Amino acid sequence: ELKVEQNPLFLSMQEGKNYTIYCNYSTTSDRLYWYRQDPGKSLESLFVLLSNGAVKQEGRLMASLDTKARLSTLHITAAVHDLSATYFCAVARQEYGNKLVFGAGTILRVKS
Amino acid sequence: GAGVSQTPSNKVTEKGKYVELRCDPISGHTALYWYRQSLGQGPEFLIYFQGTGAADDSGLPNDRFFAVRPEGSVSTLKIQRTERGDSAVYLCASSLTATPGGGELFFGEGSRLTVL
Repeated sequence: ELKVEQNPLFLSMQEGKNYTIYCNYSTTSDRLYWYRQDPGKSLESLFVLLSNGAVKQEGRLMASLDTKARLSTLHITAAVHDLSATYFCAVARQEYGNKLVFGAGTILRVKS
Repeated sequence: GAGVSQTPSNKVTEKGKYVELRCDPISGHTALYWYRQSLGQGPEFLIYFQGTGAADDSGLPNDRFFAVRPEGSVSTLKIQRTERGDSAVYLCASSLTATPGGGELFFGEGSRLTVL
């Protein structure tokens, strides 16, 4: 069974600081996604990571994938208040078709 | 449509009642997914369709839950004899296909169900 774990589950940080959210998954995976969710809103896709060593960056967010360690990280650089949201990683595996298994999410609060 | 549309956005019902939630996927997307998100948790898979057929319904919690997609476009999630534990946000998503690598999932805004 494919399981996805994120940590931390809650992160409070000051503006300007750096931090990393971790996503571990239990079995081999074909694709890993990072989503952002604002309160009361739906999921916004941030990154799709397909292969070992993949790194993608958008603004202050950078995601990476280590398929051997079954680990993805979402690194936040010089956080700003607008990044406050809940971040989910989700994993897909070929034998499951295109369906995604999500982690529990990391609530990020950036304090001004 | 431009995005995945879900109705109603909010539904309050009483325990034991029947509820239908509707999802209109992005035009041209053949795959449609239903997820349930309880407060403070990640979305949990319920069922997905490729075309009109349910390709995987392994996430439906029990036989009170049923979903259809009769014409391969709009889907309806049906919940019978609702229970308080059914209260959650029901998210719908669509993608071009359901094959591996079949494209990104685009999510709707969700239907928030509250069972009193």
